[in-house]
Amino acid sequence: EADIYQTPRYLVIGTGKKITLECSQTMGHDKMYWYQQDPGMELHLIHYSYGVNSTEKGDLSSESTVSRIRTEHFPLTLESARPSHTSQYLCASSEPRYNEQFFGPGTRLTVL
Amino acid sequence: GEDVEQSLFLSVREGDSSVINCTYTDSSSTYLYWYKQEPGAGLQLLTYIFSNMDMKQDQRLTVLLNKKDKHLSLRIADTQTGDSAIYFCAESMNRDDKIIFGKGTRLHILP
Repeated sequence: EADIYQTPRYLVIGTGKKITLECSQTMGHDKMYWYQQDPGMELHLIHYSYGVNSTEKGDLSSESTVSRIRTEHFPLTLESARPSHTSQYLCASSEPRYNEQFFGPGTRLTVL
Repeated sequence: GEDVEQSLFLSVREGDSSVINCTYTDSSSTYLYWYKQEPGAGLQLLTYIFSNMDMKQDQRLTVLLNKKDKHLSLRIADTQTGDSAIYFCAESMNRDDKIIFGKGTRLHILP
């Protein structure tokens, strides 16, 4: 069973608020990822990290930022949330042998 | 660039076999995956196949790979209501590369 956690699972906030979505894994994986997914739709890679102090932007432009100070922790921050940020955010980490990605349960964000 | 294509919907009667198809563009893909996503959850790896394999079977799941046509399929035998989910095909060139996901196929089970 994958040991990757996301909090909160659901979040409803007002426009302009700063929020941080938490993601932690206990598997010691170096590679971690953030995806944005509208319900029942395709995944869009927005950020990834190949290790501590490494962060890269993904294929989809995003106004969010990430940090990787510890191997197990990869938080995503929105400085000023807008309704267009309403979506599901999925965090994942991958193991080095077959590049299998393990996904967290997701955070469903609604910005009013 | 790299691209993974799959049909968006599939309806199958309970007890029948489901076949979900996928095509990819990058001939140097080494790892090919099938992920399953149930409602309200993250993705979970179902199975994977290396590019030097033609077939892989795991209980009710059979993966077929046609490298020449860059075509990957997932067959689910004796489809059950619990198989209702979105199935994502994915590929990566090597173990250090990002994974490219298809848009997902929503499998609907008819009674």
